[in-house]
Amino acid sequence: GAGVSQSPSNKVTEKGKDVELRCDPISGHTALYWYRQSLGQGLEFLIYFQGNSAPDKSGLPSDRFSAERTGGSVSTLTIQRTQQEDSAVYLCASSLSGTSGHEQYFGPGTRLTVT
Amino acid sequence: GQNIDQPTEMTATEGAIVQINCTYQTSGFNGLFWYQQHAGEAPTFLSYNVLDGLEEKGRFSSFLSRSKGYSYLLLKELQMKDSASYLCAVKSTGGFKTIFGAGTRLFVKA
Repeated sequence: GAGVSQSPSNKVTEKGKDVELRCDPISGHTALYWYRQSLGQGLEFLIYFQGNSAPDKSGLPSDRFSAERTGGSVSTLTIQRTQQEDSAVYLCASSLSGTSGHEQYFGPGTRLTVT
Repeated sequence: GQNIDQPTEMTATEGAIVQINCTYQTSGFNGLFWYQQHAGEAPTFLSYNVLDGLEEKGRFSSFLSRSKGYSYLLLKELQMKDSASYLCAVKSTGGFKTIFGAGTRLFVKA
């Protein structure tokens, strides 16, 4: 009965390094979302996975950002050559399905700090 | 373009009623959500509207008018623990992604 989990909870990295953020959605949820939230701001949509369909990558801010979802479960968000403006909380959410009114359940987030 | 507008901050008194408005312009509409987010925590689901009208759930109610691109969240009998940010989010039909507003920070004072 676990909720959405994310790791690491905090990540400090040097500018120019690559980072990988992990998300374990709720078992059975077919939809998975990644968002970015800067301090005091709303959620910025990054990418959306629905089952085996091609992901909606329209929110990824640059080609340094990529994400994959293996086996329809765990997802990894990768940021290459990190920049200071990438510093934010990265939130993952899952829902039973993305095609109806099912609410999203959020993980605790990964706080990324790029120095 | 896609845009969701909410007031940045609101202040209300414990025990009172507060209404948080949200207006939206999106490419397609497939439902509107309200989420609550306490400082330093993840958002949690409050309500969902897809048809016009009022949805009531305890102290919280949410209203939707699709023709006006307008929703509000009504909080009754305010408690100190209701101090949080309230996020309005619209699910579009194109790709089914969800667009979030910047959120309204509500301060409940004694």
